[in-house]
Amino acid sequence: DTAVSQTPKYLVTQMGNDKSIKCEQNLGHDTMYWYKQDSKKFLKIMFSYNNKELIINETVPNRFSPKSPDKAHLNLHINSLELGDSAVYFCASSQGTGRGNTIYFGEGSWLTVV
Amino acid sequence: GNSVTQMEGPVTLSEEAFLTINCTYTATGYPSLFWYVQYPGEGLQLLLKATKADDKGSNKGFEATYRKETTSFHLEKGSVQVSDSAVYFCALFSGAGSYQLTFGKGTKLSVIP
Repeated sequence: DTAVSQTPKYLVTQMGNDKSIKCEQNLGHDTMYWYKQDSKKFLKIMFSYNNKELIINETVPNRFSPKSPDKAHLNLHINSLELGDSAVYFCASSQGTGRGNTIYFGEGSWLTVV
Repeated sequence: GNSVTQMEGPVTLSEEAFLTINCTYTATGYPSLFWYVQYPGEGLQLLLKATKADDKGSNKGFEATYRKETTSFHLEKGSVQVSDSAVYFCALFSGAGSYQLTFGKGTKLSVIP
């Protein structure tokens, strides 16, 4: 079983559309994350939830909204998609927020906005 | 704040060559250090980690030692293979209110037969 799974893996959509990426982890972890990887491969945190509570909310457009219905799920909804939103979005999870934790990543969702 | 600096790529090596990818960091608190690998078209995989000074992380022939005095965590492999071609990311996790991995910019490695 995949530890951190996200769907869809590939998504091509038109500007202005609204789309969601879903993420689930079966590791029993308390903390989940969304990272964005740009075209130069640079990885940057977007959001983090710990026990369903938002603990990191980096400077991203408010068109991006995370939702955590329970500890095992963290979804990302994007409104009014723009060309610049094209990127790879990674979901991740860790047991907790302490320094000894390891963060495990999903396979990524390749979003292309046309 | 936290930051990670790793050597610019791309790096091209012949098969069986020795690999070093340099990584240095600045951090508040006492971070854990990681190397992640991303194969073409795939997601991020944890390659190795070290959680305290002088720890050596190792996996698949790769090694890195946590050097607190030089704030470094260089990745090494004695003999690379074509299948090691990927992008390698150095990262730190400090906890200490940071609650996130901070990544370097990644180093692309290409190994040619």
